[in-house]
Amino acid sequence: AQSVTQPDIHITVSEGASLELRCNYSYGATPYLFWYVQSPGQGLQLLLKYFSGDTLVQGIKGFEAEFKRSQSSFNLRKPSVHWSDAAEYFCAVRNSGYSTLTFGKGTMLLVSP
Amino acid sequence: EAQVTQNPRYLITVTGKKLTVTCSQNMNHEYMSWYRQDPGLGLRQIYYSMNVEVTDKGDVPEGYKVSRKEKRNFPLILESPSPNQTSLYFCASSAVGQGYGYTFGSGTRLTVV
Repeated sequence: AQSVTQPDIHITVSEGASLELRCNYSYGATPYLFWYVQSPGQGLQLLLKYFSGDTLVQGIKGFEAEFKRSQSSFNLRKPSVHWSDAAEYFCAVRNSGYSTLTFGKGTMLLVSP
Repeated sequence: EAQVTQNPRYLITVTGKKLTVTCSQNMNHEYMSWYRQDPGLGLRQIYYSMNVEVTDKGDVPEGYKVSRKEKRNFPLILESPSPNQTSLYFCASSAVGQGYGYTFGSGTRLTVV
């Protein structure tokens, strides 16, 4: 069975600083990987996804993520964080049969002035 | 507008009183799923459906029922709710195929007293 680990429960970043959120996955075959963002009281919004091809994927709101098969990682990055980026971020892996999207437990991003 | 619609958004009920949370999507997606979100546990899959009349258990199906009689609708039924089912519930839908992410509803916050 697949699994996702997000090692950081909380991260605090100063506004304007760069951001990297870590994600490690466990899956036997080629994974389909996703990052979602959840603002307080809201549903989940898809930031970006990887399923094949270029290992550096671009998403919405200036986010990008890099797939590293050798490290089983799919870390999310942003060069300059804005206060509006404060939210909870979830990494997820989907199995090749498309039946299951397994989420990590999330990383809460706090942005300080 | 392409969307997944859940109702109600908020619900307070008493132990043992049957309830149904509705979910409808307008994107002609084959795949639909229910998740519950709890602090520190992330999102866990309850049930999913690959198409009409095809449903299967996720990770935490106990105490829940689903049905998929029409492609657009996927209601979640709690026959006899208990306080440990107090949670935030999300419905999601997706096309079936490589690279498709989920579209999530806005969530239903359920409290069972």
